[in-house]
Amino acid sequence: EAQVTQNPRYLITVTGKKLTVTCSQNMNHEYMSWYRQDPGLGLRQIYYSMNVEVTDKGDVPEGYKVSRKEKRNFPLILESPSPNQTSLYFCASSPYQFSPLHFGNGTRLTVT
Amino acid sequence: SQQGEEDPQALSIQEGENATMNCSYKTSINNLQWYRQNSGRGLVHLILIRSNEREKHSGRLRVTLDTSKKSSSLLITASRAADTASYFCATAYSGAGSYQLTFGKGTKLSVIP
Repeated sequence: EAQVTQNPRYLITVTGKKLTVTCSQNMNHEYMSWYRQDPGLGLRQIYYSMNVEVTDKGDVPEGYKVSRKEKRNFPLILESPSPNQTSLYFCASSPYQFSPLHFGNGTRLTVT
Repeated sequence: SQQGEEDPQALSIQEGENATMNCSYKTSINNLQWYRQNSGRGLVHLILIRSNEREKHSGRLRVTLDTSKKSSSLLITASRAADTASYFCATAYSGAGSYQLTFGKGTKLSVIP
């Protein structure tokens, strides 16, 4: 089944403890992206990647890192999480830029 | 950022009625996409309309695009309770070496049986 898989689904952590949210797609898509969704703010893009080893900042990249060493994986790294990074995170992929996105089921992160 | 803005923020209608949601944006776009989200789940793509298209249909969905007014509308005809969800527009833009697909804040649609 074609899908975008994010893990974990729920994560509660403490301030400053490094964490990684994994994202994997099995559709051979070139484009991948991370969004965060907050009440009243909609979805905001964190980082995106046009292809392997090519990543770029979105609208809200501060406090996040990404890597794209393989086509299928696009992990989101929070080196030192803070409470303002408590949010619902979505990974998405598409065959190429401009084409419709396939979304994962989301990761709800709470930082205390 | 040229985030799209949906209007209204919330809409409540009776089953069988039509629902219209609007999206406005600020600069030129490559295409505009509409998505649906059921409570806290991942977004699902509904329809894409390119900047040189004016209208598109898919089942009970009709999307229009007016690039002169920088606006789009999504019409859901003969709504059903199962259409209850949040709907987002997203504008695809490429320029100055970057590419962005930016989402609006969404319209929350409630269809009352």
